[in-house]
Amino acid sequence: SAVISQKPSRDICQRGTSLTIQCQVDSQVTMMFWYRQQPGQSLTLIATANQGSEATYESGFVIDKFPISRPNLTFSTLTVSNMSPEDSSIYLCSVELGGMAEQYFGPGTRLTVT
Amino acid sequence: GENVEQHPSTLSVQEGDSAVIKCTYSDSASNYFPWYKQELGKRPQLIIDIRSNVGEKKDQRIAVTLNKTAKHFSLHITETQPEDSAVYFCAASANDYKLSFGAGTTVTVRA
Repeated sequence: SAVISQKPSRDICQRGTSLTIQCQVDSQVTMMFWYRQQPGQSLTLIATANQGSEATYESGFVIDKFPISRPNLTFSTLTVSNMSPEDSSIYLCSVELGGMAEQYFGPGTRLTVT
Repeated sequence: GENVEQHPSTLSVQEGDSAVIKCTYSDSASNYFPWYKQELGKRPQLIIDIRSNVGEKKDQRIAVTLNKTAKHFSLHITETQPEDSAVYFCAASANDYKLSFGAGTTVTVRA
């Protein structure tokens, strides 16, 4: 497995503002993913972030709202832009290890938008 | 896209009994089926997985089965203990590694 960290662990933000979430891994990984978990719900894939290419977004998620950076093989950021209360969720990054499809999750960022 | 359905949504078992969670998937291209356990306030933890070339896999008290024909896979927990209480998610992915998750099952083990 790998050690995956996220910053911040939680935040309370005002509507209309933006928050950038960081995901750091202690080893180089090709594939990183960002998921959203709304309160009491399952996980939904937002986008796939591969180093050296543009992030690919799932249906219902757009780059203007959730811009993603992947500057190297150990780091990625997800920005939640122009936030509304509906964006209140836990945002999790995950990494795929070893080309065997196994994904491991970061601890998550709990976002509350007021 | 892939659609994963999971049942039941809640499951209460007596300590020592078995728990079974069932999932179905829609995309015949899916070939990897992990199960995650999520305790309250914690990240999802990969507990076991199965690939499409295998019908069954066991790891101590947990086992997974896969029926590719029926597009159905299940998690079995035997001799349940209080620490098994958590939300369990099944998921499926194809060669793109994108995980589609089921809705989750809240398992409560009664002492």
